[in-house]
Amino acid sequence: AQSVTQPDIHITVSEGASLELRCNYSYGATPYLFWYVQSPGQGLQLLLKYFSGDTLVQGIKGFEAEFKRSQSSFNLRKPSVHWSDAAEYFCAVGALGGTSYGKLTFGQGTILTVHP
Amino acid sequence: NAGVTQTPKFRVLKTGQSMTLLCAQDMNHEYMYWYRQDPGMGLRLIHYSVGEGTTAKGEVPDGYNVSRLKKQNFLLGLESAAPSQTSVYFCASSGRRQGYTFGSGTRLTVV
Repeated sequence: AQSVTQPDIHITVSEGASLELRCNYSYGATPYLFWYVQSPGQGLQLLLKYFSGDTLVQGIKGFEAEFKRSQSSFNLRKPSVHWSDAAEYFCAVGALGGTSYGKLTFGQGTILTVHP
Repeated sequence: NAGVTQTPKFRVLKTGQSMTLLCAQDMNHEYMYWYRQDPGMGLRLIHYSVGEGTTAKGEVPDGYNVSRLKKQNFLLGLESAAPSQTSVYFCASSGRRQGYTFGSGTRLTVV
């Protein structure tokens, strides 16, 4: 069964500082990986996705993530955080084939607080 | 572009009452999903559908039923609501090799 672990429940950074949110996944076959962001009271918005190819993927709002197969990780990064980035971030893993096609498993989320 | 629309946005039920949550998408997506979100537990898949007329159980299906009679609609039913079903419910849809598009959620309280 596929699973996702986000080790950090809550992260606090200062505005302008760099950010890295960790995500580790467990999946037996080739995964596809996503990062979503959720603002309070809102639905989830897709930040970026990885299916294949270049292991460094660029997303919206200046975010990027790097797929490292050897470490089963897909960490999210941003070089300079803005106050508007404060939100909850979810990593998700899904299957590219088989009976689980299309189903995503989500991590528990990381809440990001940004100090001025 | 409406995307994924969920109705209602808020609802309070008494224990034992029934209700149906409606999800509608206008993107011609094949796949549709219902998740529930609870604090500290992320999103958990309730039921999903890979096409019109098909449904399947997810991680936490007990107490819920679904139907997908039309490609654009995916209904989630609670036959006899319980306090444990107090949650925020999200519907999502996707095409092949795409991420999910989420609705804005339904906040359900069962008292």
